[in-house]
Amino acid sequence: DAEITQSPRHKITETGRQVTLACHQTWNHNNMFWYRQDLGHGLRLIHYSYGVQDTNKGEVSDGYSVSRSNTEDLPLTLESAASSQTSVYFCASSEFPTVSYEQYFGPGTRLTVT
Amino acid sequence: GIQVEQSPPDLILQEGANSTLRCNFSDSVNNLQWFHQNPWGQLINLFYIPSGTKQNGRLSATTVATERYSLLYISSSQTTDSGVYFCAVGAGGYQKVTFGTGTKLQVIP
Repeated sequence: DAEITQSPRHKITETGRQVTLACHQTWNHNNMFWYRQDLGHGLRLIHYSYGVQDTNKGEVSDGYSVSRSNTEDLPLTLESAASSQTSVYFCASSEFPTVSYEQYFGPGTRLTVT
Repeated sequence: GIQVEQSPPDLILQEGANSTLRCNFSDSVNNLQWFHQNPWGQLINLFYIPSGTKQNGRLSATTVATERYSLLYISSSQTTDSGVYFCAVGAGGYQKVTFGTGTKLQVIP
């Protein structure tokens, strides 16, 4: 069955370190998204991609970057981790325009920055 | 951007009771989804419903796009329904969605 996976599921890192969170989907979807979830804020969009070599900033993109070299993967990099980036991170994908706007989410990565 | 408000923010139900969760949005949308986030954190797709009515077992949803709201109905609630319910909306030709802050549901035996 097609799915979307994230790794690692849990990560503890120190302030100032570079961290990369992986997202891999086997849906063959064009569109991929990264969100962060914090108490009181719901889910907020970090970056998104509509296809290979395409990346766009979301509402909370400062301190994060993404690259899209193939259809299946959209890794999220924290250039210099800060305590404010402690959060749960979700990756999602969708197959607009051929099917619908419906997004499917991965299981999440809990990141702690100490 | 689009504003999304969900109500109520918290809800406690006795097992077997029915409930209605509401999602109001500030502009026209062509994308609306309801999710359930279970106690383990997984986001589960419930409905993709930019307009109209859908039903799936004990759950149903209605979106009245012209009046800018959507309702999620849970009938005969079970303890496994506990968690947070999110509404997410999007507009235009873009895939971006905006999430509401959710309704936290607790179903007690």
